[in-house]
Amino acid sequence: AQSVTQLDSQVPVFEEAPVELRCNYSSSVSVYLFWYVQYPNQGLQLLLKYLSGSTLVKGINGFEAEFNKSQTSFHLRKPSVHISDTAEYFCAVSRRDSGGSNYKLTFGKGTLLTVNP
Amino acid sequence: NAGVTQTPKFQVLKTGQSMTLQCAQDMNHNSMYWYRQDPGMGLRLIYYSASEGTTDKGEVPNGYNVSRLNKREFSLRLESAAPSQTSVYFCASSEGSGTGYEKLFFGSGTQLSVL
Repeated sequence: AQSVTQLDSQVPVFEEAPVELRCNYSSSVSVYLFWYVQYPNQGLQLLLKYLSGSTLVKGINGFEAEFNKSQTSFHLRKPSVHISDTAEYFCAVSRRDSGGSNYKLTFGKGTLLTVNP
Repeated sequence: NAGVTQTPKFQVLKTGQSMTLQCAQDMNHNSMYWYRQDPGMGLRLIYYSASEGTTDKGEVPNGYNVSRLNKREFSLRLESAAPSQTSVYFCASSEGSGTGYEKLFFGSGTQLSVL
């Protein structure tokens, strides 16, 4: 079975502070990993993704994430946040469906990042 | 470039009423998806279509039907709405047909309330 755990449902930080949003997954096979962001009253947008290669992935808006296979984690980081980063962030894991040829994408429950002045 | 367009943006139904949520994409994508988003639950896949003419159940298909009318359009129908279907519904599309590593493009959502 595959699951995605976002360890914090809410993360409040002050502007210009660093932030880390944590994501762990469980899977016995290789996976593709994603972070999506949802601004208020909008759909989700892709921030970054890990498919293979370098374990440090850089995305849009200054975000980056590191894939750690041994810890099955894909934590999202930003060294200095802005008020405009206030949004909900979703980790997602894609894995080939057992016995099939299709991939299954599973989303975590989300982390609400609130950046305060 | 419109991307993924959903209609309506808001809808209020009474229990037992039916309705269809419309979704269209103008990116010539092969795959289309319907998700529902509930507080504290993340996004859960209702149905998806990996190509024109095919549809498959996702994680929470009960109470819903879908139609992939053509490559552009993918509709979601609630035949007899229930309060448990109160949610925000998102349509999404991706370029390939289930390759697993693609970026999803999302619409702006439909907020549905069933009284």
